Formats: sequence, structure tokens, C-alpha cells
Amino acid sequence: KQEVTQIPAALSVPEGENLVLNCSFTDSAIYNLQWFRQDPGKGLTSLLLIQSSQREQTSGRLNASLDKSSGRSTLYIAASQPGDSATYLCAVRGNQFYFGTGTSLTVIP
Amino acid sequence: GAVVSQHPSRVICKSGTSVKIECRSLDFQATTMFWYRQFPKKSLMLMATSNEGSKATYEQGVEKDKFLINHASLTLSTLTVTSAHPEDSSFYICSARAGGPETDTQYFGPGTRLTVL
Repeated sequence: KQEVTQIPAALSVPEGENLVLNCSFTDSAIYNLQWFRQDPGKGLTSLLLIQSSQREQTSGRLNASLDKSSGRSTLYIAASQPGDSATYLCAVRGNQFYFGTGTSLTVIP
Repeated sequence: GAVVSQHPSRVICKSGTSVKIECRSLDFQATTMFWYRQFPKKSLMLMATSNEGSKATYEQGVEKDKFLINHASLTLSTLTVTSAHPEDSSFYICSARAGGPETDTQYFGPGTRLTVL
């Protein structure tokens, strides 16, 4: 069964710092990988979707990479802002979505 | 992007009552809808997958007689928690997909917070 792990579980950084969130998965037979943001008590907001044939995707200050063979993905956030504070979830798509447990990010003004 | 809505956003009920949660795809036809639950500080766990007009497929450990799922149209799926108990209190999130898993994005609703007293 697919297992998705996210490290670190929590992260606190001062505003303006660049940061990297990590996601690893055990089964490389995936269709795609998606990064989501979840604010407290809210649903999921899709940030970036990387197809299995792609290596990376960029949107604004966010860049996500995918190394399917090694079962790893990273989400890079440039010039972090207090508004980036949230929980970030990665999910891999096989026949269903398998979610990681998330990284709780706090950006300190 | 596509929008998925859920209603209600929050519900409090007494133990033993049934609660229905609606999930709607507002601007696309969802051939497949998914129901997840999320416990505090935990990730989302898939409960069931439903295709329009078919019976839902439940994940192992999910009681299908307790969590009734109906996907009667391409834009609406409902989850009914029957005879709810405090341990059913959770955050329920639905998701909808237009096509197959290979390329189509899955869109998530805002979630429903269920509290059973």
C-alpha cells in the first residue's frame, strides 16, 4: 500500500526566508502528485499538480519538483510571507489519492 | 478553476440522529466523487468512492451501513451519517473529478465539520 511521508511535521520561519517542504512516497507507480494548502478548519486548496512525466511545476513563488524514481517531491516557497502560514499536504494519485500527514508552516512577521 | 461546494459547513447533532451532507460540483459534471474524513492533526483518509448511478465503493474499515453515500446525478453526491455517535465527530471533505485519474484534477470541497454530542 502506498505510504506518503512529509518532513518536517512543523516548521517556523521568519518572514522573507526561502523554505523547502519534503514529501516521499513508497510506490512510484503514480499518475501525478499534487500539493495542497489547508487553512485551519478549512478544505483544501490545490497549489500545484505535477504529472508523472513531468519534473517540476511553478506558480508564482511556489516551485514543486518530482523525482518519481526515488519517490520524492519538494515544494519550494520563495520569500515566505505571514499569509503562507498553513498546513501543506502532498498527495500522490494512483487509483486513489494518498495523502501525507502535512507540514504545518508558520511564517513569523 | 472548478468549484465544489458542501452543505452544511458545520453541523452539531445529538447522538443517535442522522446527518446528511451534500457535495455539489458547481460548474462541471463529476463522474466520480470521493468522501474523506480528517481527524485533528491527521491527514485525509478516503472513506468511499462513488460513480454516478452506481453503488459506492467503500474503503476497508468503513461501515457502509453507517455512512450512506448516494450519487444520483453528475453534480450531486450525499453522505448520510446514520445514528451518529460522538466518535463520528470529524471533518468530512468531498472531492469531485470529471474524468479518469490519469490527467483530470480532483477538486475538493470546503469541508463539513460534524460534532456529535
